Amino acid sequence: GAVVSQHPSRVICKSGTSVKIECRSLDFQATTMFWYRQFPKQSLMLMATSNEGSKATYEQGVEKDKFLINHASLTLSTLTVTSAHPEDSSFYICSASGLAADNEQFFGPGTRLTVL
Amino acid sequence: QKEVEQDPGPLSVPEGAIVSLNCTYSNSAFQYFMWYRQYSRKGPELLMYTYSSGNKEDGRFTAQVDKSSKYISLFIRDSQPSDSATYLCAMSSSQGGKLIFGQGTELSVKP
Repeated sequence: GAVVSQHPSRVICKSGTSVKIECRSLDFQATTMFWYRQFPKQSLMLMATSNEGSKATYEQGVEKDKFLINHASLTLSTLTVTSAHPEDSSFYICSASGLAADNEQFFGPGTRLTVL
Repeated sequence: QKEVEQDPGPLSVPEGAIVSLNCTYSNSAFQYFMWYRQYSRKGPELLMYTYSSGNKEDGRFTAQVDKSSKYISLFIRDSQPSDSATYLCAMSSSQGGKLIFGQGTELSVKP
C-alpha cells in the first residue's frame, strides 16, 4: 500500500504555544487529506478534510481558527494547533487519498501531542 | 445514538481461537465497509475493504457485511498473539469519502 508519514511523531509543548504537524504522502499524489484526533481508548474523530489548493472543511465543533490546516501541495498537508492548551493533548492522525491509490485512505503513524 | 456502534471490549482469547468482532450502524447510505487494525500508539492499518453486502476472505481474516441488518463482522481464524491490537470498523457512503469509525475493540490473544 501507499506510504504516509507524519512529523514529528511526538511533541511536548508549553500551554499557549503553537505546534505544527506535517503529513506527507511519499509515493502518491494525495488530492485529499484528512485530519483525525484520537483520545485514549476512544475512536478516531474526523476534524477536517482538505483538498489540495482549497480551504479545509471542518467538522462541527472543531474550531478552524485554532486548528489551521494547509494543503499547499499534492504531497503535503500541515495542521497547526494554535495557542495549545492541555485539553488539546491527544493523538493526531492524518490520512491521504488520491486517484492513483484508488481513493483508499492511507493513514500516517500519528503524532502524540502533550501540552503542559 | 452513534452512527456506528462497536463493543470496546476488552476481548481476551487463547491462541488458536476464532475471534468474532462486530459493528452495527444506523445510516443506510453506507456502502463501503472497512476494518482497521491499530497497534498501541500507531496509526490504523487497513485489513479488509468491502463494498456493499457479502463476504470477503483474506488469509485468516474474513469480513462479512449484512446491509439488511446493518451489521458487519470480522472473523480471525487461528488467532495469534501478534493479532493483539485494537480493531476498528469504519464505513463510508462514498469511495474515498468521509469515514465514520466505531469505537474500536481491544483484542488480546494469550499464548
